[in-house]
Amino acid sequence: NAGVTQTPKFRVLKTGQSMTLLCAQDMNHEYMYWYRQDPGMGLRLIHYSVGEGTTAKGEVPDGYNVSRLKKQNFLLGLESAAPSQTSVYFCASSYDPGGRTDTQYFGPGTRLTVL
Amino acid sequence: LAKTTQPISMDSYEGQEVNITCSHNNIATNDYITWYQQFPSQGPRFIIQGYKTKVTNEVASLFIPADRKSSTLSLPRVSLSDTAVYYCLVGDKADSGYALNFGKGTSLLVTP
Repeated sequence: NAGVTQTPKFRVLKTGQSMTLLCAQDMNHEYMYWYRQDPGMGLRLIHYSVGEGTTAKGEVPDGYNVSRLKKQNFLLGLESAAPSQTSVYFCASSYDPGGRTDTQYFGPGTRLTVL
Repeated sequence: LAKTTQPISMDSYEGQEVNITCSHNNIATNDYITWYQQFPSQGPRFIIQGYKTKVTNEVASLFIPADRKSSTLSLPRVSLSDTAVYYCLVGDKADSGYALNFGKGTSLLVTP
């Protein structure tokens, strides 16, 4: 049981390049999330998904796209990277669709630098 | 989402009890209070969650007064490995749209 894994761990891009970050979870969770964390800041939600085939915008969605084609995977795409997207990206998943509370399980993060 | 206020940083010596208080004056009736811990270069990790009174697990205790406008995370006998950022979150999943407002958290430094 690996929990939540993220690929890659590090990446350096040039402005205008594109890339996809992969998040995978093996806990059969319904919900998945993408956050970004900038130095000295808390986490900000980019996009999330409440089930396979569904996605929704979070607090800071501009410049990112996501897809949830399989329940266990949640992809975050940057079509044209900008230096402002330099950040650490965290993926998380959670299970409890029926309750009022939830516990999110986080991956180890992807450190992205855009030059 | 209810706004939370917690100290930016705290220092402690090994073996001491650490109490981190979070203010959430506009907490709603259905809101739960959740604390996460984040070590450097890692994702946040769930510590404890509660609605009212006191909750205790193997890691920490959470004290919530009757008016629920604040909460206190208590870490007994901290060690160096408890150095981390601690986030207080308040919300109800149905109302928050599944978004968690992590804020900047409290950076705890434990020294020998």
